[in-house]
Amino acid sequence: DTGVSQDPRHKITKRGQNVTFRCDPISEHNRLYWYRQTLGQGPEFLTYFQNEAQLEKSRLLSDRFSAERPKGSFSTLEIQRTEQGDSAMYLCASSYSSGRGETQYFGPGTRLLVL
Amino acid sequence: AQTVTQSQPEMSVQEAETVTLSCTYDTSESDYYLFWYKQPPSRQMILVIRQEAYKQQNATENRFSVNFQKAAKSFSLKISDSQLGDAAMYFCAYREGAQKLVFGQGTRLTINP
Repeated sequence: DTGVSQDPRHKITKRGQNVTFRCDPISEHNRLYWYRQTLGQGPEFLTYFQNEAQLEKSRLLSDRFSAERPKGSFSTLEIQRTEQGDSAMYLCASSYSSGRGETQYFGPGTRLLVL
Repeated sequence: AQTVTQSQPEMSVQEAETVTLSCTYDTSESDYYLFWYKQPPSRQMILVIRQEAYKQQNATENRFSVNFQKAAKSFSLKISDSQLGDAAMYFCAYREGAQKLVFGQGTRLTINP
């Protein structure tokens, strides 16, 4: 299976620590998205990349959050000085831009718990 | 900003029966896409069906079909012959162009055997 993969699947950290998540998109997908999903809610957009360029960032993405996609392949999402409010599922999705009708395919997510 | 509303937090249906999940959205655009995603417990989100706003014909994928009412900004999902494996959270989502998905709050669907 060559779907979207995310690592780690679960992360428990103490408040104030830094965490980094990784997303590997479907091969040849040039767009990559990060979403955050809190319990009982729908995912909320954080940021997206086309190739290595970060094209949009949500207001949800405070200055403690940073995302990168070097070489337009995998992406990392780092949260510095974590807070309890950062506890959520972090979802990655990828797609191939084809002009119209692209579909985003989601990974299994990284569940973060900040103690 | 675009919004997506799912007014049914929970729904249940007997196995083999039909259920309809509701979704409304708000946009001033005429060209956009609508999606239904399924998120089984502790499993990843998968696409169920999608609809392009410029197409008047309702999308269908096997047992899943939509009722797309563009003027009313309504996009409901009908699941026919419900199966136990259909139990999941269902999310309605909107996308305009090459942009992010905007999701509704979700509907938890339970299938009763």
